[in-house]
Amino acid sequence: DVKVTQSSRYLVKRTGEKVFLECVQDMDHENMFWYRQDPGLGLRLIYFSYDVKMKEKGDIPEGYSVSREKKERFSLILESASTNQTSMYLCASSFGTASYNEQFFGPGTRLTVL
Amino acid sequence: AQKITQTQPGMFVQEKEAVTLDCTYDTSDPSYGLFWYKQPSSGEMIFLIYQGSYDQQNATEGRYSLNFQKARKSANLVISASQLGDSAMYFCAMRGSSNTGKLIFGQGTTLQVKP
Repeated sequence: DVKVTQSSRYLVKRTGEKVFLECVQDMDHENMFWYRQDPGLGLRLIYFSYDVKMKEKGDIPEGYSVSREKKERFSLILESASTNQTSMYLCASSFGTASYNEQFFGPGTRLTVL
Repeated sequence: AQKITQTQPGMFVQEKEAVTLDCTYDTSDPSYGLFWYKQPSSGEMIFLIYQGSYDQQNATEGRYSLNFQKARKSANLVISASQLGDSAMYFCAMRGSSNTGKLIFGQGTTLQVKP
């Protein structure tokens, strides 16, 4: 079974802090994704990566950066956390980019910025 | 631009009855895939069912089936014989051939199954 793990289920940070959200997958997938989920808005793509050291902006990249130094690990970084970044963050991975390739999701991290 | 619309924010269904969750989409890609995911209160997204745009038959997976009407650009999820464990949020998503692998999600529908 594919497993995608995220470093924390719940996280509380203060405004202005640098925040790291880690995601690890164990199925040798090329593609990894970071989404944020907000009520009434569904999931929105922040960044994605289709190879080590490669990254692409998604629909809402402002205020975020990412790092992919190893194939299995994809990190989301909030350089200076703000209260409007309080959200649920979901990481996903997939084998390829074809339209039929399913994405596998991690359990999510509920981040609260005070 | 690609878009997924789920017009039902919340739905109720009686246990053991069938329920249909609506999903419409918009895309100019000739080839695309449609997905449904379930998100229980625990937060994890669980893949339920997939329909390819060129598939001739509607997809089925156990109690889940996808009512795919390509001309109307709809991909409704049908859950038969609802169970209490089906209470969750359900997301419709689409991936086009030009998307470089990213999924476009709808707003979600919260389903509550009544005993």
